[in-house]
Amino acid sequence: AQTVTQSQPEMSVQEAETVTLSCTYDTSENNYYLFWYKQPPSRQMILVIRQEAYKQQNATENRFSVNFQKAAKSFSLKISDSQLGDTAMYFCAFMNLQGGSEKLVFGKGTKLTVNP
Amino acid sequence: EAGVAQSPRYKIIEKRQSVAFWCNPISGHATLYWYQQILGQGPKLLIQFQNNGVVDDSQLPKDRFSAERLKGVDSTLKIQPAKLEDSAVYLCASREAGDSGELFFGEGSRLTVL
Repeated sequence: AQTVTQSQPEMSVQEAETVTLSCTYDTSENNYYLFWYKQPPSRQMILVIRQEAYKQQNATENRFSVNFQKAAKSFSLKISDSQLGDTAMYFCAFMNLQGGSEKLVFGKGTKLTVNP
Repeated sequence: EAGVAQSPRYKIIEKRQSVAFWCNPISGHATLYWYQQILGQGPKLLIQFQNNGVVDDSQLPKDRFSAERLKGVDSTLKIQPAKLEDSAVYLCASREAGDSGELFFGEGSRLTVL
């Protein structure tokens, strides 16, 4: 079974600074996706960024980028120029693309607070 | 495009009572998921539907939880009888066919069992 570990329960950063959230995962599969989802206090999960395992190039979406280290099974999220609206729970998630059950397996989350 | 709709947003019940949650996925999305999110934890999959068939219900406590997706569109998750440990947010998500991988989530239904 796949597992996702987020070792930082809480983090804080000053507005406009950069912060990195850590995630490691465990799988024996080779074909999968990794995701970072954001859950603001209103609770609706929103996709932040996605990485296909077969791609060596790290995904980037505006201020959000990842550092995907496949051999180390590491998938960290970097948020540049942090904004107050980035305050939320961030979940790292894994999706196996083999076997027919394409479901998300989540980590426990990191609570990020951006301070003014 | 309308998002994933869920109701009710909040529900408070006594233990041993029953409750039902409803989800209407994004139009055209074949796959529907129910997740349970206990406070301070990441969401855990309860059940996954592909159209109106069950793909994965391995973590659904079948002695008290049931779910259906009639006609392959909206879905209902029922808990009967509820226990204190069922207090959680129940998230519905949907995904279109293809390999984009992205799940779209509803705002969730918060259940408190007293």
